[in-house]
Amino acid sequence: GAVVSQHPSWVICKSGTSVKIECRSLDFQATTMFWYRQFPKQSLMLMATSNEGSKATYEQGVEKDKFLINHASLTLSTLTVTSAHPEDSSFYICSARDVGTGTGSTDTQYFGPGTRLTVL
Amino acid sequence: GNSVTQMEGPVTLSEEAFLTINCTYTATGYPSLFWYVQYPGEGLQLLLKATKADDKGSNKGFEATYRKETTSFHLEKGSVQVSDSAVYFCALSEYGNKLVFGAGTILRVKS
Repeated sequence: GAVVSQHPSWVICKSGTSVKIECRSLDFQATTMFWYRQFPKQSLMLMATSNEGSKATYEQGVEKDKFLINHASLTLSTLTVTSAHPEDSSFYICSARDVGTGTGSTDTQYFGPGTRLTVL
Repeated sequence: GNSVTQMEGPVTLSEEAFLTINCTYTATGYPSLFWYVQYPGEGLQLLLKATKADDKGSNKGFEATYRKETTSFHLEKGSVQVSDSAVYFCALSEYGNKLVFGAGTILRVKS
């Protein structure tokens, strides 16, 4: 099945520093990837849609200058949290859209294992 | 706009009990429907999906049928195990666009 990886799985950083999270589709090409944020015991909140070779589309209320997204290839998207603060501490999850090939349509999002960010 | 409503949890069951987690949706068109499962400290895993009315998705003993007339996609399993304890998310997607998630339902299975 389709596999999506994230790196790192957890990171602790000091306030004011920047952190980069990578999301990779391992066995399929993904023109579209999504970045979510999940607070404890809550559902996922979509932050942005990342399209290969173009600018990301951010959801309302998400600061594009704070959460930089780059989708430079069909298998890699990165999320950089700039000038991180304690309130940015969260579980960040990416997903990659597999549109499939042939006559059958899979068109399914597959999720990475998530990255736990703690900002001190 | 599109939305997904799930039954509130937590749902607590004994091992081998029958499971139903209700999910209803509102959509402007004809969405694809999904159930995802999240184990503690992990990301989401696709459990099953259905892309059109009357389709039944199934996996690992779980089933859900796309009911257009009732706009529902209830998750069922005939006999749950302790290892099924997790958070279950119902979701929809139209034209392959962004997923809209329900709030999630915590399932706890006791031995």
